[in-house]
Amino acid sequence: AQSVTQLDSQVPVFEEAPVELRCNYSSSVSVYLFWYVQYPNQGLQLLLKYLSGSTLVKGINGFEAEFNKSQTSFHLRKPSVHISDTAEYFCAVSDLRTSGSRLTFGEGTQLTVNP
Amino acid sequence: GAVVSQHPSRVICKSGTSVKIECRSLDFQATTMFWYRQFPKQSLMLMATSNEGSKATYEQGVEKDKFLINHASLTLSTLTVTSAHPEDSSFYICSASVQGVSYEQYFGPGTRLTVT
Repeated sequence: AQSVTQLDSQVPVFEEAPVELRCNYSSSVSVYLFWYVQYPNQGLQLLLKYLSGSTLVKGINGFEAEFNKSQTSFHLRKPSVHISDTAEYFCAVSDLRTSGSRLTFGEGTQLTVNP
Repeated sequence: GAVVSQHPSRVICKSGTSVKIECRSLDFQATTMFWYRQFPKQSLMLMATSNEGSKATYEQGVEKDKFLINHASLTLSTLTVTSAHPEDSSFYICSASVQGVSYEQYFGPGTRLTVT
C-alpha cells in the first residue's frame, strides 16, 4: 500500500515571496509522482510529474519539484509567487505496478498568496 | 490535447431522484476512467475505476448499486447516482487515462451535485 502526506494543510505567503509545499510518500515499490493544482470549483490541473531521470522537475507556472528517493519526498517550490497562485495543491503517487494509473492523493495544501 | 469534459457542471435534484453525470474524453481514447468524490476542503476520494467494456471496480465502502458506472465507449463514462439523498451532495470529478502513456490522469472540471 502507498500513502502520501502533505505536511502543511495551509501555507500563507506574501506576494513575490518564495514558497515550498512539502510532500512525503510511502511505498514499497517505485512510484511516479505528481503535483496537481485545483482552483475553486474546478477540476485538477497537472503542474508537473516525475517519472524517471533528472530528480529536478520543472512544471507550468514557474513551479518545480525535486524528487528525493532517500527521504521519500517530492517537495514543490516556486521562487516568487503571485496572487493568482492562490489555490489548493495536491501531491499524488502512482504505483508502477498498478494497471490503469491509479493515483493516491495527499490531503492537499491550501496556498494563499497575500498582497 | 488531452481534454476531459463533464456534464452537467452543476445539478440540483430532489431527494429520491436519480441523476446522471457524463464524463467525456474529447481528443483521445480513454482506456480507463476514474470517478472521484470530493467533500469541501478535503482531498479526492476514489470511488471506482472503470475500463471500457467491462464492469467498474468499486472502492471499499462505495455502494455499487447506488453509484452506477457505465463505460460503454473509449470516450464516454457515466456515473448515475440513484435515489439520491442530501448526504450524496458533493463535488464529483472524473479523470481519464491511456494505459501505458506516462500513467497520467486527465481530469474533468467536476460536477457539483446538490440534493435537496
